[in-house]
Amino acid sequence: EEQLVESGGGLVQPGGSLRLSCAASGFIFSNYWMSWVRQVPGKGLEWVANIKDDGGEKYYVDPVEGRLTISRDNAKNSLYLQMNSLRAEDTAVYYCARDLNEYSGSDKDGFDIWGQGTMVTVSS
Amino acid sequence: DVQMTQSPSSLSASVGDRVTITCRASQSISTWLAWYQQKPGKAPKLLIFKTSSLESGVPSRFSGSGSGTEFTLTISSLQPDDFAIYYCQQYKSYPYTFGQGTKLEIK
Repeated sequence: EEQLVESGGGLVQPGGSLRLSCAASGFIFSNYWMSWVRQVPGKGLEWVANIKDDGGEKYYVDPVEGRLTISRDNAKNSLYLQMNSLRAEDTAVYYCARDLNEYSGSDKDGFDIWGQGTMVTVSS
Repeated sequence: DVQMTQSPSSLSASVGDRVTITCRASQSISTWLAWYQQKPGKAPKLLIFKTSSLESGVPSRFSGSGSGTEFTLTISSLQPDDFAIYYCQQYKSYPYTFGQGTKLEIK
């Protein structure tokens, strides 16, 4: 079964740091772009960042540029989001998702596999 | 950034109704649009990609259409399992952006 499992969320003070992880299984992780998407509880979805299959390209939404860093370790089938200089407005559920939008290996697009999400709360 | 605007923001309908949700882009995105369904406490689920292509396993009562700046998601005959929040997403350019969501409620 193709699966993504996030971990690493929690409560952190403003200005603090946190690293989220996303463990992939059931598919060839190194073939796919991956994205992080966040959602403030009760609000809509916001795409945060994505990373190319080999880690060679990364894109971010402006509010997180320079503070959040996406990375991956294909040997460990894992995606990461290093979160520094956290702000109250970063409080959200963070989802990792398999991103087919740049994938040339099929005709499919979209975020077709999602994790269950991990909650990040930035508060003093 | 491409702004995505969905209408309506909420909708009450009955089982068996035909329902249409609209998504408008602030600039042309060709057909680079996806639709997702989200239920409370769950991750979003991909329904449709490239405006009108149905994701594997999604019932055929879901359909999508449009191009350029105006898109629609139609559910031909609502089923109890369809009551959820629906989001459109453009992936024509970075940053990818989502609509604000349409909450579909039982009348």
